[in-house]
Amino acid sequence: EVQLVESGGGLVQPGSSLTLSCVASGFTFSNYGMNWIRQAPKKGLEWIALIDYDSHNKYYEDSMKGRFTISRDNSKNTLYLEMNSLRSEDTAIYYCAKWGGSYFEYWGQGVMVTVSS
Amino acid sequence: DIQMTQSPASLSASLGETVTIQCQASENIYSGLAWYQQKPGKSPQLLIYGTSSLQDGVPSRFSGSGSGTQYSLKIRSMQTEDEGVYFCQQGLKYPYTFGGGTKLELK
Repeated sequence: EVQLVESGGGLVQPGSSLTLSCVASGFTFSNYGMNWIRQAPKKGLEWIALIDYDSHNKYYEDSMKGRFTISRDNSKNTLYLEMNSLRSEDTAIYYCAKWGGSYFEYWGQGVMVTVSS
Repeated sequence: DIQMTQSPASLSASLGETVTIQCQASENIYSGLAWYQQKPGKSPQLLIYGTSSLQDGVPSRFSGSGSGTQYSLKIRSMQTEDEGVYFCQQGLKYPYTFGGGTKLELK
């Protein structure tokens, strides 16, 4: 059974940094691209970034490029999202998702990030 | 960026009714379209990918169709468990974008 478990969320002040983690199990993590997607409260879904299976290629939504960094450690079956200069509009549930080539095949349960003073 | 427009934003259906949700892309996405269902407090779950391929475990009452810029999700015979929000998503090129969602409720 595929499982994706995010962690690292919480309440942070504007301008601060935070790193999210996503531990994967139930599939060969090192064979698949992985994504981060977020959902602001009562809002729709926003794709953040994709990293390919060996970290060779990374793709970002333009508005988050430069502030957010996606990375992975295949030896630990773990995906990361480093977020810097956080703003109130970054408040959202953050999901990691296994890439199916053109769709998000499996999603984690999500982790809440709240940016507020 | 490719814009995805879903309609309607919300609808209610009776048990056993057939429901259709539409999704329009701002440009040809060559069938690179997926559908997700999200229930309250849960993460989205993949229903359909590649326009019409059913994800494992998804009931056969769900089906997808379309081409070019116009796509649709059909739920044949609405069930209680089908309540939720449905999103379409284009996977042709990044940034991968989603429709605004359709909230489906039982009448």
